[in-house]
Amino acid sequence: QQPVQSPQAVILREGEDAVINCSSSKALYSVHWYRQKHGEAPVFLMILLKGGEQKGHEKISASFNEKKQQSSLYLTASQLSYSGTYFCGTEFSGGATNKLIFGTGTLLAVQP
Amino acid sequence: KAGVTQTPRYLIKTRGQQVTLSCSPISGHRSVSWYQQTPGQGLQFLFEYFSETQRNKGNFPGRFSGRQFSNSRSEMNVSTLELGDSALYLCASSLEVGGSYEQYFGPGTRLTVT
Repeated sequence: QQPVQSPQAVILREGEDAVINCSSSKALYSVHWYRQKHGEAPVFLMILLKGGEQKGHEKISASFNEKKQQSSLYLTASQLSYSGTYFCGTEFSGGATNKLIFGTGTLLAVQP
Repeated sequence: KAGVTQTPRYLIKTRGQQVTLSCSPISGHRSVSWYQQTPGQGLQFLFEYFSETQRNKGNFPGRFSGRQFSNSRSEMNVSTLELGDSALYLCASSLEVGGSYEQYFGPGTRLTVT
C-alpha cells in the first residue's frame, strides 16, 4: 500500500531541474506533496485531486496521472532552499474513511 | 497570524503510562490532523478531525485516540505507552475554501518512552 517514490536521492546544482515520482498500487483519491528540512516540521506544498488540474506555481508544480496512479513533482531552476526530503502522501478509500499513506521520501540536495 | 502550536514540545514517559498531547490550530482552520514520525516507519497518518468529528483514521491501534473541541483545538491521547511509541508527533491544521487548500504543521511533540 505504501507508495513508491523515485529517485530515493538526487543531487543537483543550482538552476538545474528535477522530477520526483510517486507511484501507488491503489486507486487514488488524491496525492499530497510535502518538503521537510532536517530537524523541522514538514511543509505542505500542494494537493492534487482526482479529476483535478495540475497544480503549482512558478518553479514547483505537480501532475497526477489517474490511469497510472502516479504523481510527479517538478522542480524547475532549483534553488538552495529546495534542499530537503520530499514526501508524497497518497489518499485512497479505506472503507468508511479514507486512508493516507506516505512514501519513504526523496532526499534532494541542491549545491551551489 | 499565529501558527500551529503544540504542547508540550518534549515529553518523557514510562512504559504503561498514558499521555495527552495538545494542538492549537491556526485561527479559522477547522480541520486538524495528527501524524507520527519515526526513523524506522517514516511519516504516518493518525487521524483527522473536522468540526469535532473524526473524518479519517489511519492504521493505529485503539490505544491512540483523539478529539477536537468546539474551538478547533485538538488533543491526542496514547494509553498504555510502549517503547515503540517513541516518536515525533506532528499536528497540522488545514483550511479548504473553494478550490484552494492550505495546510500548516506545528513544530511537533517529541515523545520518548522509557
